[in-house]
Amino acid sequence: GNSVTQMEGPVTLSEEAFLTINCTYTATGYPSLFWYVQYPGEGLQLLLKATKADDKGSNKGFEATYRKETTSFHLEKGSVQVSDSAVYFCALMASATNKLIFGTGTLLAVQP
Amino acid sequence: GAGVSQSPSNKVTEKGKDVELRCDPISGHTALYWYRQSLGQGLEFLIYFQGNSAPDKSGLPSDRFSAERTGGSVSTLTIQRTQQEDSAVYLCASSRLPPGTGSSYEQYFGPGTRLTVT
Repeated sequence: GNSVTQMEGPVTLSEEAFLTINCTYTATGYPSLFWYVQYPGEGLQLLLKATKADDKGSNKGFEATYRKETTSFHLEKGSVQVSDSAVYFCALMASATNKLIFGTGTLLAVQP
Repeated sequence: GAGVSQSPSNKVTEKGKDVELRCDPISGHTALYWYRQSLGQGLEFLIYFQGNSAPDKSGLPSDRFSAERTGGSVSTLTIQRTQQEDSAVYLCASSRLPPGTGSSYEQYFGPGTRLTVT
């Protein structure tokens, strides 16, 4: 079946450090891939998405590239800020379905 | 404009009681989704509505769970005879059109209802 695996947290970084959160997926067909973010006390928000192989999604300095050959969609940011502290969820939507399948989430804590 | 709203924000109920959770989607969004976020299971899909019909109910965990949508707008998720394992945050999301139509299918999430079954 369809599934998403993302790295366990928490991830603790100092401000201005480089961030990578790994995400791999299993899916039939050609899914769309997403990163959602949940800031403390807030609801889930879409951070970025990619709908086909080799697409790069980007937003707020975050990037992720849809790699079909490695079935991956790793999230990266060159220089994190304290305000990036949140839980990050990788998700997929399989073709011909309407539901998001989420990874378990990764807590990121950025220290000043 | 207004986002997805959910009520109540918190609900504490006794085991065995029925509860109703409400979702008001973004105006004009035809697709509506319910998810559940719990410590043990992470974020799980429950049910999807297109208009007032539910083409995908595959995530409902048991027949104690049901949902309806009226007027293509408000949706209610009902849990009968609640159990402690039902304790979770119930999230509602809406989107403009379902995937496959060529339009954006970003799902916008509400703040959730935290359900605690004692």
